[in-house]
Amino acid sequence: AQTVTQSQPEMSVQEAETVTLSCTYDTSESDYYLFWYKQPPSRQMILVIRQEAYKQQNATENRFSVNFQKAAKSFSLKISDSQLGDAAMYFCAYRSGYSGGGADGLTFGKGTHLIIQP
Amino acid sequence: DAGVIQSPRHEVTEMGQEVTLRCKPISGHDYLFWYRQTMMRGLELLIYFNNNVPIDDSGMPEDRFSAKMPNASFSTLKIQPSEPRDSAVYFCASSFRDRGKLFFGSGTQLSVL
Repeated sequence: AQTVTQSQPEMSVQEAETVTLSCTYDTSESDYYLFWYKQPPSRQMILVIRQEAYKQQNATENRFSVNFQKAAKSFSLKISDSQLGDAAMYFCAYRSGYSGGGADGLTFGKGTHLIIQP
Repeated sequence: DAGVIQSPRHEVTEMGQEVTLRCKPISGHDYLFWYRQTMMRGLELLIYFNNNVPIDDSGMPEDRFSAKMPNASFSTLKIQPSEPRDSAVYFCASSFRDRGKLFFGSGTQLSVL
């Protein structure tokens, strides 16, 4: 079974600074997807960014970018120019590239609580 | 699009009572997932459906839990009888083909006293 590990329970960053959240995963599969989801106090899970394992280029969405190291099984999220609205729990998630038989769900890490200092 | 709609947003009940959580997925989505979130265990996949058919229910903790999807626009998660350890936030999520891009509802905060 796949596992996702987020080793930073909490991170703090000054507004307008850059912060990196870490995520490692364990899998024997070669085809998979990785995600970062944001959960603000409103509780809604919001997709931040997605990476396909077969793509070498790191995904980017505005101020959010990832550093995907497939060999190291590492998938970190970089938030540039941090804003107060970025304060939330951030979850790293894995999804198999194969379908059926229980492979379609996401496996989540335990999350990192991001605090933005004004 | 209204997004994934869950009801109720909060549910407080007493141990032994039946609880029914409801979910309306995004129109056109063919996958529906039920997740449970607790501080101790994080986000756990309970069950998921594809085209209204349950595919994997290995995450359902006990026979007290059951889920149905009678049509493409509605699903329920039922707990009978409920126990205090069932207290958690229950999320419903849906997706279309590209199954990894899940869209979540706002969740139901369940408290069993």
